[in-house]
Amino acid sequence: KAGVTQTPRYLIKTRGQQVTLSCSPISGHRSVSWYQQTPGQGLQFLFEYFSETQRNKGNFPGRFSGRQFSNSRSEMNVSTLELGDSALYLCASSLAVGGDGTEAFFGQGTRLTVV
Amino acid sequence: QKEVEQNSGPLSVPEGAIASLNCTYSDRGSQSFFWYRQYSGKSPELIMFIYSNGDKEDGRFTAQLNKASQYVSLLIRDSQPSDSATYLCAVHTNAGKSTFGDGTTLTVKP
Repeated sequence: KAGVTQTPRYLIKTRGQQVTLSCSPISGHRSVSWYQQTPGQGLQFLFEYFSETQRNKGNFPGRFSGRQFSNSRSEMNVSTLELGDSALYLCASSLAVGGDGTEAFFGQGTRLTVV
Repeated sequence: QKEVEQNSGPLSVPEGAIASLNCTYSDRGSQSFFWYRQYSGKSPELIMFIYSNGDKEDGRFTAQLNKASQYVSLLIRDSQPSDSATYLCAVHTNAGKSTFGDGTTLTVKP
């Protein structure tokens, strides 16, 4: 069974630009979560989607947004990029949002560099 | 206080020894607990999850949960150099939010 697929794997953008990252979850998984990982801050929760609805949001500015489609694929958008947005962005999928089945499986990540 | 706290390490153990990784959490509504292993430059991979108080064993790994003390641990028996990685503790509440600790870096010396 295919794992979580994130595209692109690497991205270089200029300050002020916007970027869209994509995540295809494991087949049958309806929950998709996004995380930002930096050496100084660890793994920071961005948001979670389940059945096309945002269920939880972390403490990130409104420049960070996301959505989920009916096939559970999710996209994350960052507008007006700043140098500090340079990070590894990880997507994780899980079967459920509570109880059994909440174990998350991560994609390989998108390495975003803002110059 | 962080929601999920782990000793940052680094933790160094000799090959064949038991490595003990600890995690405490603040939200008493937390229901699911996970341990992930992350090799440098790679994404986290799930090692174990535990939902109930007590021990759960899977091969060389044992997860221990004590909800009263808000404490979860991971024991790695017969540690191997290939176990050298950063271990992340994650806590999931019924509200659907997962919070990760900053991780403990483990080095197993041959």
